[in-house]
Amino acid sequence: DAGVTQSPTHLIKTRGQQVTLRCSPKSGHDTVSWYQQALGQGPQFIFQYYEEEERQRGNFPDRFSGHQFPNYSSELNVNALLLGDSALYLCASSFLAGRGRGEQYFGPGTRLTVT
Amino acid sequence: AQSVTQLGSHVSVSEGALVLLRCNYSSSVPPYLFWYVQYPNQGLQLLLKYTSAATLVKGINGFEAEFKKSETSFHLTKPSAHMSDAAEYFCAVSNVNGGSQGNLIFGKGTKLSVKP
Repeated sequence: DAGVTQSPTHLIKTRGQQVTLRCSPKSGHDTVSWYQQALGQGPQFIFQYYEEEERQRGNFPDRFSGHQFPNYSSELNVNALLLGDSALYLCASSFLAGRGRGEQYFGPGTRLTVT
Repeated sequence: AQSVTQLGSHVSVSEGALVLLRCNYSSSVPPYLFWYVQYPNQGLQLLLKYTSAATLVKGINGFEAEFKKSETSFHLTKPSAHMSDAAEYFCAVSNVNGGSQGNLIFGKGTKLSVKP
């Protein structure tokens, strides 16, 4: 059973550019959450997608947007990249119908470097 | 608002010694609490979770944590450290909707070093 997969593993972009990160959830999961983990910090919640809609959002600007596809996979898009966007971006999947007692399974992350 | 505080950004123990990683939470409602481990250049792996059942929770790799409401704590322990336990550990609390629906709020992490 494949766990959560993310692509690419590493990415280097220039300030002002746009980036798209991809995530495939664990088999049987229908909900995808995205987190940003800056160096030396804990992950911070960006947003969560369920049924192809953004259900919850953390304190991130509109430059951060996402999408969920019918097969439950998801994309995270960041526009107008800033140096401060350099971080490890983690995707987590879960089963919403589990209603609270389930947990989120994390992927290995995408390391984004903005120069 | 919910929050998590992890005391000690870096803990060092000798192999075979007790591991104690501290976590205090703030929540206006009964919380769901989690401990995750992160090995270098990897994602997060769930160690254990508290979801309002037994207050002493046993997890993987010999770790356990005790939920103490009076102290708003959820400290992680392991009786005997192994070299393979060296990693970063994160305590997290979920929002009112729970662990799978809600977003997780993480502490800043504690890096555990194990000396031979």
